[in-house]
Amino acid sequence: ELKVEQNPLFLSMQEGKNYTIYCNYSTTSDRLYWYRQDPGKSLESLFVLLSNGAVKQEGRLMASLDTKARLSTLHITAAVHDLSATYFCAGRISGTYKYIFGTGTRLKVLA
Amino acid sequence: DVKVTQSSRYLVKRTGEKVFLECVQDMDHENMFWYRQDPGLGLRLIYFSYDVKMKEKGDIPEGYSVSREKKERFSLILESASTNQTSMYLCASIQPGQDYYEQYFGPGTRLTVT
Repeated sequence: ELKVEQNPLFLSMQEGKNYTIYCNYSTTSDRLYWYRQDPGKSLESLFVLLSNGAVKQEGRLMASLDTKARLSTLHITAAVHDLSATYFCAGRISGTYKYIFGTGTRLKVLA
Repeated sequence: DVKVTQSSRYLVKRTGEKVFLECVQDMDHENMFWYRQDPGLGLRLIYFSYDVKMKEKGDIPEGYSVSREKKERFSLILESASTNQTSMYLCASIQPGQDYYEQYFGPGTRLTVT
């Protein structure tokens, strides 16, 4: 059974700093997703990672996937206040329509 | 753009009431999902539907049922609401084979059961 673990659960960081959110998953997943959720809002898709070594970047966010280590990372570069949100990773169980979500990382960027 | 809408953003119901949460998507997606989101637990799958009138239990189906009479609409039913069903409910849809099986989420319904 696929399990997805994110860490840290909470992250408070200063503007301008770099940090990484980690997403470990327990068994094979053929797709790894990253979402952003603002308070009281729904989930917004950020990235879909399909294969080992995949790297995607948008603005100050960069996501990568290492299928051998069963690890995805979301790297934040030079954080700004607007990045404050909760970030979720999710894996799809191969061959199914079932998605397993991590518990989320609540990021707060301090001015 | 895919649009997934949910009937209510906020809902307050009393214990024992029958509650209907509606979800509509406008992109002819085959698969639709209902999740509940609780702090520290992420999103947990309640039910999903892979076609009209077809459904499959997720991880936490107890106390819930679903209905999908039309392709675009997926309803979540709480037969007799209880306080432990107070939560944020999110609907999502996908079209298999498209968009890397990426889920599109509705805005969510925050349900409070008193």
